[in-house]
Amino acid sequence: DVKVTQSSRYLVKRTGEKVFLECVQDMDHENMFWYRQDPGLGLRLIYFSYDVKMKEKGDIPEGYSVSREKKERFSLILESASTNQTSMYLCASSPGTTHYNEQFFGPGTRLTVL
Amino acid sequence: DQQVKQNSPSLSVQEGRISILNCDYTNSMFDYFLWYKKYPAEGPTFLISISSIKDKNEDGRFTVFLNKSAKHLSLHIVPSQPGDSAVYFCASYGNKLVFGAGTILRVKS
Repeated sequence: DVKVTQSSRYLVKRTGEKVFLECVQDMDHENMFWYRQDPGLGLRLIYFSYDVKMKEKGDIPEGYSVSREKKERFSLILESASTNQTSMYLCASSPGTTHYNEQFFGPGTRLTVL
Repeated sequence: DQQVKQNSPSLSVQEGRISILNCDYTNSMFDYFLWYKKYPAEGPTFLISISSIKDKNEDGRFTVFLNKSAKHLSLHIVPSQPGDSAVYFCASYGNKLVFGAGTILRVKS
């Protein structure tokens, strides 16, 4: 059974803290993605990666960075957390080099920044 | 500016009846469309997709219709079941996947 896991289901951090969200997939997928989900806005793409050590900005990369040192792991970093980054964060992966492949999602991390 | 719009935030349907979820898009470069379903505390899961060269795709109780001239797609669920209660996201591919805001479907027994 395909699996995308995220390090935390719930996280509470303070403004200004550096936050790491970890995502691991066991399907040997080339592509990995980070989204945030907000009410009324759906899922918005933050960053994605098509290969190890490779990253591309999505639609809302400001305030975020990513790291992909190994194929199975994709980390999202909030350099200095702010209250407007309170959200549900979803990691996804997909196989191959085409864009049309189904994306498999993790369960999400609900981040609250106080 | 949202390129994929789901204008109904929620929909309530009686068990056994048809559920119709709608989605509009603005970008004519979109050529592949997907529906995802999301239960609370879980990530979205893929439900059904359609290529722009087709106007209909069926998978069991789920059918997706695409009207390219109107830039509109819809998901039909027949018959609706209480287990279908979830948030449904429409998504479209141009050079990346773009999601709508989602529609909460409640199927009443």
